[in-house]
Amino acid sequence: KQEVTQIPAALSVPEGENLVLNCSFTDSAIYNLQWFRQDPGKGLTSLLLIQSSQREQTSGRLNASLDKSSGRSTLYIAASQPGDSATYLCAVRSNDYKLSFGAGTTVTVRA
Amino acid sequence: DGGITQSPKYLFRKEGQNVTLSCEQNLNHDAMYWYRQDPGQGLRLIYYSQIVNDFQKGDIAEGYSVSREKKESFPLTVTSAQKNPTAFYLCASSIDGSYGGELFFGEGSRLTVL
Repeated sequence: KQEVTQIPAALSVPEGENLVLNCSFTDSAIYNLQWFRQDPGKGLTSLLLIQSSQREQTSGRLNASLDKSSGRSTLYIAASQPGDSATYLCAVRSNDYKLSFGAGTTVTVRA
Repeated sequence: DGGITQSPKYLFRKEGQNVTLSCEQNLNHDAMYWYRQDPGQGLRLIYYSQIVNDFQKGDIAEGYSVSREKKESFPLTVTSAQKNPTAFYLCASSIDGSYGGELFFGEGSRLTVL
């Protein structure tokens, strides 16, 4: 069974600092990996989708890397802003198409 | 605007009552999903549907029921058999029925049992 872990559970940084968010998974036989953002009391917003054949994906200040062999993905957010404060979740889709979610990392960017 | 609409946003239920959460999408997606989110836990899959008139149980289907009579609609009923129904419920969809596509979510419905 795929297990997805996000450590730390919470993170606080000053504005302008780069954010590094980690996602680990136990089974490297994955189809793709998706990063989401969730604001309090809201649904999930898709940030980036990385296919298993890709090493990274970029969108604006966001960059996500994927290392299947080590079971890791990292989401980088450059020059963080208070508006980046949210919970960030990763979801791993295994080759049997099952989707497994991490519990998320809650980020606070201090002005 | 294309998207997924969930209603109601907040719902209160007395013990022993069934309630139905609505999920409508205008993205023309084939696949739709229902997830449950509890504090400190990852999302857990309740039911999913690949095409109209077909749906499958997820990891925590007990006490829930769904229907998929139209492509754009996937309502979830929380029955009185669900022992701990207080949670945040999220509906999602993806373009293809192979489940490999990017997942899009609605804004969620928060159910509280009094």
